[in-house]
Amino acid sequence: DTAVSQTPKYLVTQMGNDKSIKCEQNLGHDTMYWYKQDSKKFLKIMFSYNNKELIINETVPNRFSPKSPDKAHLNLHINSLELGDSAVYFCASSQDRGRTEAFFGQGTRLTVV
Amino acid sequence: AQSVTQLGSHVSVSEGALVLLRCNYSSSVPPYLFWYVQYPNQGLQLLLKYTTGATLVKGINGFEAEFKKSETSFHLTKPSAHMSDAAEYFCAVSDIGNQGGKLIFGQGTELSVKP
Repeated sequence: DTAVSQTPKYLVTQMGNDKSIKCEQNLGHDTMYWYKQDSKKFLKIMFSYNNKELIINETVPNRFSPKSPDKAHLNLHINSLELGDSAVYFCASSQDRGRTEAFFGQGTRLTVV
Repeated sequence: AQSVTQLGSHVSVSEGALVLLRCNYSSSVPPYLFWYVQYPNQGLQLLLKYTTGATLVKGINGFEAEFKKSETSFHLTKPSAHMSDAAEYFCAVSDIGNQGGKLIFGQGTELSVKP
């Protein structure tokens, strides 16, 4: 019974394509996040939504567009993929806007060729 | 602005030896601090957290950490390393308030355990 699940786990695609990553949490949390982990394993916030409202957009290229249809789901759509977008993308959720721990999904390894 | 620094990108210990992973933070407000572990090809799993109260916090798998405000540190320790502890460890501070509680991570420390 996975708390935060994201699909797909692996994604290989060509430059210029458009792709989406889906995320769902069954914890009843109000806040969801997208993080990017680069090749050096550094983790950085991309977006945060609280009750379907965008609250953090961390200077991410506007080719990346998050969408939250309800507070249990946060999807990430990426247009015109570039080689530099290759990374592992993690979805996470938390309660109380960071006063408790975040729960992470298993990650989506995106490879752009 | 808040930040986290982990000293040592790679730490190697022998099985049964003490594990010490260092983390220093910078925060203008009382910090909420976390240690996460990442096994290969997996997501991040919470080891332990400090929010308020007791400064010595115990986590899963025998790990503990002590919040020291005077030293702005939150070092992670385990008395006796096990082979299964080999993983990447991340210290993080939560940017609460109007930043939605995003986590600001250190650069990570890879722990190797030698037999």
